[in-house]
Amino acid sequence: GQNIDQPTEMTATEGAIVQINCTYQTSGFNGLFWYQQHAGEAPTFLSYNVLDGLEEKGRFSSFLSRSKGYSYLLLKELQMKDSASYLCAVREGTGGFKTIFGAGTRLFVKA
Amino acid sequence: GAGVSQSPRYKVTKRGQDVALRCDPISGHVSLYWYRQALGQGPEFLTYFNYEAQQDKSGLPNDRFSAERPEGSISTLTIQRTEQRDSAMYRCASSPGIDSYEQYFGPGTRLTVT
Repeated sequence: GQNIDQPTEMTATEGAIVQINCTYQTSGFNGLFWYQQHAGEAPTFLSYNVLDGLEEKGRFSSFLSRSKGYSYLLLKELQMKDSASYLCAVREGTGGFKTIFGAGTRLFVKA
Repeated sequence: GAGVSQSPRYKVTKRGQDVALRCDPISGHVSLYWYRQALGQGPEFLTYFNYEAQQDKSGLPNDRFSAERPEGSISTLTIQRTEQRDSAMYRCASSPGIDSYEQYFGPGTRLTVT
């Protein structure tokens, strides 16, 4: 079966750093994604990890440990516009592209 | 360039009616995905295509749901004999190539079954 767990909600302060964790159990693994979704809008791609380690892209970084079934998304220098849901997703199978999304973590950034 | 488009954006239908939801992917994109998203939840995988071939339909809830992409571009998700539990946001996403990882999502179709 497949299971993706992430916290339901988090609150952080503008200018701070926040880490959103994701654990997963899937039948096969072919990459992990993070998407951002503002209320009422479509998800937009943030990052992709297929090998262990940290991927950095501006204020956003994503980490993966395949042996632990664990990832986190790190957001630095938080801005009010970062208030959104952050979706962890896993592409499962070997050679397949079925993508399973978690329920998302709603991040509230306060002044 | 133009992004993924979906039509209609909103659809209200009576229980028992059939509905067809359309997805127009980004031009040239090979892979196309259908998802269903409930409020406050992540997208739920339904099915995906590479070109015109339906590669995986394991997420379709039952045989009332079907999808096609006959010419490898526009896709249609059809729900027959709709039920109230089918009410949700239906989202389409496309990806440039079979090995591409980034999916570009459309604005979705909000389906309400009364």
